[in-house]
Parts: sequence; structure tokens; C-alpha cells
Amino acid sequence: QKEVEQNSGPLSVPEGAIASLNCTYSDRGSQSFFWYRQYSGKSPELIMFIYSNGDKEDGRFTAQLNKASQYVSLLIRDSQPSDSATYLCAVRDYKLSFGAGTTVTVRA
Amino acid sequence: DTEVTQTPKHLVMGMTNKKSLKCEQHMGHRAMYWYKQKAKKPPELMFVYSYEKLSINESVPSRFSPECPNSSLLNLHLHALQPEDSALYLCASSPKGGFARAGTEAFFGQGTRLTVV
Repeated sequence: QKEVEQNSGPLSVPEGAIASLNCTYSDRGSQSFFWYRQYSGKSPELIMFIYSNGDKEDGRFTAQLNKASQYVSLLIRDSQPSDSATYLCAVRDYKLSFGAGTTVTVRA
Repeated sequence: DTEVTQTPKHLVMGMTNKKSLKCEQHMGHRAMYWYKQKAKKPPELMFVYSYEKLSINESVPSRFSPECPNSSLLNLHLHALQPEDSALYLCASSPKGGFARAGTEAFFGQGTRLTVV
């Protein structure tokens, strides 16, 4: 079983819609959870991090963590064409491990 | 300021060459990382330095040699690489390392695009 798994993409959403990204992890000892955005040919950019169960909101982004279910998600509200990118879920125990990524395309 | 600076941005080297990648951060972060990323794949961890000591080596071949001269600098020395080593090499840093819960968010530099010919 992979350490971090993301829902397979690509994900295509119309402009203004909500994009929902999901991630599960295998290690119950994981402490910290991150979402990165990566544009093609660029490096990953940290957009959200969450440590505790529940929701964390930052602008149009909401991260949700459920440690009992070993599940973390990212919601992008009012999606914009500039949100088109690959979104990487990352989970940390003693090291930061990445999921394979979900490519999101926002249609204008 | 959340800037991690990597040089060079692009590097082409032959299989017999020796080169070095450099990474610098002035945020007072105490953990620094090297990742390798192939096209359409997620970043793969290579090395972690925590408080200037090598804490993780993910079974990386010896042709890659990391060095942490001080808390702000991280180098990756390259020697006798193979064409399959061509990739984007990413440096990252985080405020804390080890098993800390908070303060482990990693910030990435822009990467060095390495091509081995």
C-alpha cells in the first residue's frame, strides 16, 4: 500500500465551481498534512497545512482532516483558471511523503 | 520572506563531470531537504539535514553527495551521473525538523533542471 494516495485525475471543473481533492494515508503516526500546488515546469508551492482534526480555511481554500479515517481533503471554492495545476498531498511522520498528485483543469 | 534560492537553474553535464548544486535560505530554518522529481511524478526525498546533521539518506547512490556547510546552505555534489539521473532537483527548508508536529511545513526553491548527457 502506498503511503499517500490521492484520487485519480485529471479533474475538470467549470469556472466558479468547487473542486474537491481527496487524499488518504497509511501511517496512523503521521503528524502533519500539507497541500502543495505545482504548475507545469515549476516547483511545488505550499498552499495549506493542517495539524488537527477538522477544517482549516484560507481564502478560497479549505483543508479538512479526519485522523480516524486517515483522510485529508482540499476544497477550492470559486475555482479560477489560474487554479489549473497539479495538487500534491503530502504527509509527514519523520519525513515528508507525497501523493502522486491530482491535475486540476478549470474551464473558463 | 519564504525564499529558498537554488543555483544554477539549469545544468547540463557529461557522465564524467563533477558539478555541485547549491541551495540557500535565510529564514532561520533548521531543516533542509533535497528532493528529486521526474516528469509527471511527485517529488522523491533524497536527503534530510536537521540542525546541520544528516538525519535521513533515502538509500541514494553515492554518486550524489550532500553537504551542509552551515545552517543556511545546502549543497549537492554530483559525480559520474547517469542519463537516468536527469530530473528536477528541488531543495526545501522547514522551520523545524525531526518529529516536530508544528513548524514542519516545507518551502521549496525553484529547482535545478539537470540534464546528464
